[in-house]
Amino acid sequence: QVRLQVSGPGLVKPSGTLSLTCAVFGDSISNGNWWNWVRQPPGEGLEWIGEIFHSGTTYYSPSLKSRVTISVDMSKNQFSLKLTSVTAADTAVYYCARGRLVERSSLLFDHWGQGALVTVSS
Amino acid sequence: DIVMTQSPDSLAVFLGERATVNCKSSQSLYRSSNNKNYLAWYQQRPGQPPKLLMYWASTREPGVPDRFSGSGSGTDFTLTISSLQAEDVAVYYCQQLYSTPPAFGQGTKVEIK
Repeated sequence: QVRLQVSGPGLVKPSGTLSLTCAVFGDSISNGNWWNWVRQPPGEGLEWIGEIFHSGTTYYSPSLKSRVTISVDMSKNQFSLKLTSVTAADTAVYYCARGRLVERSSLLFDHWGQGALVTVSS
Repeated sequence: DIVMTQSPDSLAVFLGERATVNCKSSQSLYRSSNNKNYLAWYQQRPGQPPKLLMYWASTREPGVPDRFSGSGSGTDFTLTISSLQAEDVAVYYCQQLYSTPPAFGQGTKVEIK
């Protein structure tokens, strides 16, 4: 049973850096799937942030690319998100999700963590 | 970037009746090389993360009840719940997995009338 667990501060000050970690259980990060971050502002829809492969290859949303870094720690079987220069618009539930590798796509999100609400406020 | 648009934004259906959610993409999600439409559907119950229901537009994820079905090709897709149950109350999202960045529709809220 694959399980993903998000952890990190629930409150970040404006202009600060949001940092979250997703621990993966029941699967190895090096198994060939991709590992993603998706966010959802309160009462709104889903926005993809980016993904990482165990090799360290990353792809980011163009709208967030200048502020996002996703990294992987294979020794701990986890991956992380850093989002810099945050504003109130970055307040959201942040989910991590596994991207199942299917024919010519890594963007099928078949397992999701429970999510973590991060509020940007002073 | 591909834009996904769902309709309606919300709908209310009697228990046991059919619910239909539509999804349109700004460009074709069909690959002729493998005859697949790169379209997935997710269900998000209140307070829960999204759950994958369907991919390739019409292939159910294991464990998903067969009252859920998907159809469509190219740019127009439909998710149908043939007989709405109480546990189906949720927001449903379509998502294109054709190209990066992946995009979700705005969501359709399904409620009981």
